[in-house]
Amino acid sequence: NAGVMQNPRHLVRRRGQEARLRCSPMKGHSHVYWYRQLPEEGLKFMVYLQKENIIDESGMPKERFSAEFPKEGPSILRIQQVVRGDSAAYFCASSHVAQRGGQNEQFFGPGTRLTVL
Amino acid sequence: KNQVEQSPQSLIILEGKNCTLQCNYTVSPFSNLRWYKQDTGRGPVSLTIMTFSENTKSNGRYTATLDADTKQSSLHITASQLSDSASYICVVSADSNYQLIWGAGTKLIIKP
Repeated sequence: NAGVMQNPRHLVRRRGQEARLRCSPMKGHSHVYWYRQLPEEGLKFMVYLQKENIIDESGMPKERFSAEFPKEGPSILRIQQVVRGDSAAYFCASSHVAQRGGQNEQFFGPGTRLTVL
Repeated sequence: KNQVEQSPQSLIILEGKNCTLQCNYTVSPFSNLRWYKQDTGRGPVSLTIMTFSENTKSNGRYTATLDADTKQSSLHITASQLSDSASYICVVSADSNYQLIWGAGTKLIIKP
């Protein structure tokens, strides 16, 4: 039973390019969460998705960032026209049921480390 | 403003010793509090989850406490091992939304 998979593990982009980060949730999980972690800081919530729906994107920057979780395939976090400040570790987590207010466990992937040159 | 603060920021102890990490939070309405362990270069792994009514919860050598009145939690590690070297993160869930409020973590280093 594979855990949460993320790829690539490391991604290098030049300023102005696009970054696409992929997340495959655990088998049977239909809830996906994306987080960003800057060096020496805690994780910051970005977006919560269910299959084909964005439930909460209050933590995501309004410009250049988008996320999707299609009916088939992995969830994608897309960053357009990357800037140096986008350099961070991006973690994806999945859960079996909705996170809201409950004790439901979130299982984390290994993260994608994005470096913008 | 919902916040989670942890102390100390970093801690170095000798293998075999015990240690206690602290977490203070100002999250309302409170739902639950979690402790995660994050090894360098990896995703966080859950250690414990506690609700308002739980004062203590153990997971092997890890024991978490919660005082909902003072909004404080601690994580006690007994008989530390080299593999305990990691960041330990306190995370609080508010009842009203989907977000988890993450502390910055305590970086623990165990020396032989």
